[in-house]
Amino acid sequence: GIQVEQSPPDLILQEGANSTLRCNFSDSVNNLQWFHQNPWGQLINLFYIPSGTKQNGRLSATTVATERYSLLYISSSQTTDSGVYFCAVLLNAGNMLTFGGGTRLMVKP
Amino acid sequence: KAGVTQTPRYLIKTRGQQVTLSCSPISGHRSVSWYQQTPGQGLQFLFEYFSETQRNKGNFPGRFSGRQFSNSRSEMNVSTLELGDSALYLCASSLGGAGNEQFFGPGTRLTVL
Repeated sequence: GIQVEQSPPDLILQEGANSTLRCNFSDSVNNLQWFHQNPWGQLINLFYIPSGTKQNGRLSATTVATERYSLLYISSSQTTDSGVYFCAVLLNAGNMLTFGGGTRLMVKP
Repeated sequence: KAGVTQTPRYLIKTRGQQVTLSCSPISGHRSVSWYQQTPGQGLQFLFEYFSETQRNKGNFPGRFSGRQFSNSRSEMNVSTLELGDSALYLCASSLGGAGNEQFFGPGTRLTVL
């Protein structure tokens, strides 16, 4: 099956710093989503981004489908950005999301 | 528009028992998928239901089953619980077309003693 790898697995930042999270996938995908898992476990939708670039406030994402990777940028990080970030891909058939292992982000004040 | 809701939020069971979890999708969404999250295995797909039919299935034993009702609400059942079934169970809803964006509920945290 398709492999989804996220890097780095852990990231510690000082408040105000910028960061880039990466997601590599091993096959063609129908779509890609980025999520932030809050401390209570809920997955919060950040981006639905099969290709191209999108921005939402301090966050932006870029997917280069032909090269099979996506990047999530967090600028001017805040302590509330802490948590686990997942990317997940949808294969060309069906609605089954395959998740990466996540990046655990800790933003220190 | 209300989000995806899951009940119960927390559950404690003992080995051998069975459990039923419920998920109500976003209004107008016809696809409901279930995922299991454990520290060791991460987030894994269980199954997807669309129009009351199981459309996709992950690699889980037959003790895990589900169904979907005509109003798109879905239930997931786990029979003969094992300690390893302790996990966060997440439900996602989408419009139902291939590749549609999926939205997750808050999850049900199941502990098996």
